[in-house]
Amino acid sequence: QKEVEQNSGPLSVPEGAIASLNCTYSDRGSQSFFWYRQYSGKSPELIMFIYSNGDKEDGRFTAQLNKASQYVSLLIRDSQPSDSATYLCAVNLSGYSTLTFGKGTMLLVSP
Amino acid sequence: EAQVTQNPRYLITVTGKKLTVTCSQNMNHEYMSWYRQDPGLGLRQIYYSMNVEVTDKGDVPEGYKVSRKEKRNFPLILESPSPNQTSLYFCASRSPGAGRPTGELFFGEGSRLTVL
Repeated sequence: QKEVEQNSGPLSVPEGAIASLNCTYSDRGSQSFFWYRQYSGKSPELIMFIYSNGDKEDGRFTAQLNKASQYVSLLIRDSQPSDSATYLCAVNLSGYSTLTFGKGTMLLVSP
Repeated sequence: EAQVTQNPRYLITVTGKKLTVTCSQNMNHEYMSWYRQDPGLGLRQIYYSMNVEVTDKGDVPEGYKVSRKEKRNFPLILESPSPNQTSLYFCASRSPGAGRPTGELFFGEGSRLTVL
C-alpha cells in the first residue's frame, strides 16, 4: 500500500521562527525523498531532495531523513511571509517507478 | 529555457465534449506523467510514460487516455468529460537523476478544467 502522510495544517509560525514540516511514509525500502513548495494555483517547485540518512542543508532549508523511523522532515529557518505556501512531500516508494505525494502541509508565516 | 508546457491553461467545457490537453517538454526526458489535484485529495497520478510508446495507469486513470508517440509530447485525452473531472491538471517530466536513485519532477504550469 502506497502511503505518504503529512499533517494538513495550517502550520502557523511568526516571521523569523523555524518552521518544521514532517512526513512519514509506508515503505522502509524507499530511497528517494523530495520536498516541493506550491503556492496557491501554481505548480509545485522542487526545494530539496535527499537520499541518505541525516541532514542536508541548502540555505535556509534543511531536509532530515530517518529511514529506520520512516520519516523525512523539512526545516525552514528564519521563516519569511513569502514562505507561506503548501509543502508537498514526495517519496519514490520501493517497487514503484513513480513518485507518491503526500497531501501537503499548509504553512502560514505571519509578519 | 528548460520547461514543460501545457495547453490550454484554462478551459470550460460541457459534459461529453471530447477534449485534449497537450503537454510538451524540451528537456529530452524519457519519463512523463499526468496528475490531477483536488482540494483535500492532493496530487493524484493519472497516467505515466517511461518512454515513447510505453504508458501505464496511475492511481486514477478512469475516464482518461494518453499517448506517447514522440518523446517530447504526452497529451491527455478526455473522450467524454464529466463534471467529476473538473480539476487542476499538471503534466510533469522527470530528469534521469545523474547517478541518483530518482531524478526530480519538473511540472508544467497547470491546466484548470471545468466540466459543466
